[in-house]
Amino acid sequence: DTGVSQDPRHKITKRGQNVTFRCDPISEHNRLYWYRQTLGQGPEFLTYFQNEAQLEKSRLLSDRFSAERPKGSFSTLEIQRTEQGDSAMYLCASSFNRDGYTFGSGTRLTVV
Amino acid sequence: KNEVEQSPQNLTAQEGEFITINCSYSVGISALHWLQQHPGGGIVSLFMLSSGKKKHGRLIATINIQEKHSSLHITASHPRDSAVYICAVNPQYGGSQGNLIFGKGTKLSVKP
Repeated sequence: DTGVSQDPRHKITKRGQNVTFRCDPISEHNRLYWYRQTLGQGPEFLTYFQNEAQLEKSRLLSDRFSAERPKGSFSTLEIQRTEQGDSAMYLCASSFNRDGYTFGSGTRLTVV
Repeated sequence: KNEVEQSPQNLTAQEGEFITINCSYSVGISALHWLQQHPGGGIVSLFMLSSGKKKHGRLIATINIQEKHSSLHITASHPRDSAVYICAVNPQYGGSQGNLIFGKGTKLSVKP
């Protein structure tokens, strides 16, 4: 297991387009988290899953955002009708309950 | 006021200096994390603490639960320590048991 993988590393998209990011957590980890980080700020919580159940969503997660973890393994984060304000680093992390927090390298989204 | 505050925001040191980064938080927590983020975005977990002190190589992390304060120390600093150091906490309240609350980070630059 090589840790938490995120794909793609970078994404440039035009405003109004839909984008989807993927996160592959550490295989033994039951929890998976999505965070967003803008320049000069710490990451902000978006949502988290325990196995396939989405247990919590931040109010930052507007209705243009949707996340899934269909089989309790990998997860996808989709942003519909992207806006320039969506430009950020999207970070994924996984853990076993609260232990072993491991972060991915992130997907940097630029909306032009 | 942020629930997790770090100081200083920026820190420049000469190689070999002893460095301290501070973190104060205002919520009840079950654990506190120190994270390192290099340019390019990836986050590495350095420590997870719920009490006392931990040491790993030249890094030492301490926490005082009563005072809601933690410090990260770097001994014999080196230019490769240059990074953003982020403090994050696991909140204890309600249903937010999975997500982390992050500080804004301390940008450390160690000059040769």
